[in-house]
Amino acid sequence: DTEVTQTPKHLVMGMTNKKSLKCEQHMGHRAMYWYKQKAKKPPELMFVYSYEKLSINESVPSRFSPECPNSSLLNLHLHALQPEDSALYLCASSQSRRDRTSTDTQYFGPGTRLTVL
Amino acid sequence: AQKITQTQPGMFVQEKEAVTLDCTYDTSDQSYGLFWYKQPSSGEMIFLIYQGSYDEQNATEGRYSLNFQKARKSANLVISASQLGDSAMYFCAMRGFKAAGNKLTFGGGTRVLVKP
Repeated sequence: DTEVTQTPKHLVMGMTNKKSLKCEQHMGHRAMYWYKQKAKKPPELMFVYSYEKLSINESVPSRFSPECPNSSLLNLHLHALQPEDSALYLCASSQSRRDRTSTDTQYFGPGTRLTVL
Repeated sequence: AQKITQTQPGMFVQEKEAVTLDCTYDTSDQSYGLFWYKQPSSGEMIFLIYQGSYDEQNATEGRYSLNFQKARKSANLVISASQLGDSAMYFCAMRGFKAAGNKLTFGGGTRVLVKP
């Protein structure tokens, strides 16, 4: 079952709010990802966790703070966001096989549509 | 560095007809994987099909097939017998097997609208 869930589906927040996005997968995957996608653009990678350790941070502003409490969960904590941060935030997971020749397909969740006022 | 180019920003296709979505890529990696994803207006990115650079046969998954021409560095997606539910944005992506963190490089996408 290739399912990644994300909550909430929609989020509206003010620039002074603190909120969190949540992502969960039960496929036994050991890599999880956060992407940001603006309208009519491809997804942009933000963070990668591999075996619960942050392995990639694509120079994302500190107002975005990722957390991986365990191998099934991934959070994205939001604080003091700007209106330009409004976007679709996608979570993905993959098996993260250590064999570098493997497919290691990323499976995505339905996303959270974030609006910052 | 890797680059994916999708030259068709949008296209119409008649229901039940086949459609080919173009994807060309550039990479210095000898080993890599190519992926196609579908993104309906709901937002979810749905994995469709994968082709490895050393796979000798073109990948197929149901109505989806990948026309892989390694020398031309192209990996076109063919959707046979289009259905109304195929209306969506389609992204081509690649991963070099040396890529840290399994990083995917995406193309700009092609929007497909299936007409009844």
